[in-house]
Amino acid sequence: GEDVEQSLFLSVREGDSSVINCTYTDSSSTYLYWYKQEPGAGLQLLTYIFSNMDMKQDQRLTVLLNKKDKHLSLRIADTQTGDSAIYFCAVMNRDDKIIFGKGTRLHILP
Amino acid sequence: NAGVTQTPKFRVLKTGQSMTLLCAQDMNHEYMYWYRQDPGMGLRLIHYSVGEGTTAKGEVPDGYNVSRLKKQNFLLGLESAAPSQTSVYFCASSYSAGEQFFGPGTRLTVL
Repeated sequence: GEDVEQSLFLSVREGDSSVINCTYTDSSSTYLYWYKQEPGAGLQLLTYIFSNMDMKQDQRLTVLLNKKDKHLSLRIADTQTGDSAIYFCAVMNRDDKIIFGKGTRLHILP
Repeated sequence: NAGVTQTPKFRVLKTGQSMTLLCAQDMNHEYMYWYRQDPGMGLRLIHYSVGEGTTAKGEVPDGYNVSRLKKQNFLLGLESAAPSQTSVYFCASSYSAGEQFFGPGTRLTVL
């Protein structure tokens, strides 16, 4: 079945850019998502991209999709302390099920 | 508009006890889901429903049952709780198979 992989931890200095990477296995994936989970809360959709797009930008967030390599990334510009959270990559597979990665914990260094 | 709500927020059970977690959504969504979140394991789908009166198994259904008698509610039951079911449980709903809206979670400890 579909597998979604992401690194578990990332540390970034405040003001720098954060890049969170994700790889997936199902080349027929249609929608790809980034969710954010703050401590003690549920997941909240940050942004998503259709599989026929290469890039999507929304304020400080940039999503890049490389379909050939099955690689998705989320770039957060000018990282702030409020960006400290767990970020989940999620992919809709050919059965219309959404498969989540294990999440990347973003830690902001002062 | 409350979105997705979960009851209770916290619960402690003894091994063998039973309980029901309630999820409610006021967005008229067809799809509803129950996940568990464990450290290092990410989110794992327990059961889901694509409409009132329907349920289906997810990735880790054993030890859990669900019911969707009303469109707005999705219940998760544990008939005989085990320590391995200690986890944070999240409910989610969606209009179709796309973006999911999550509840705040229920933290369950089984002693």
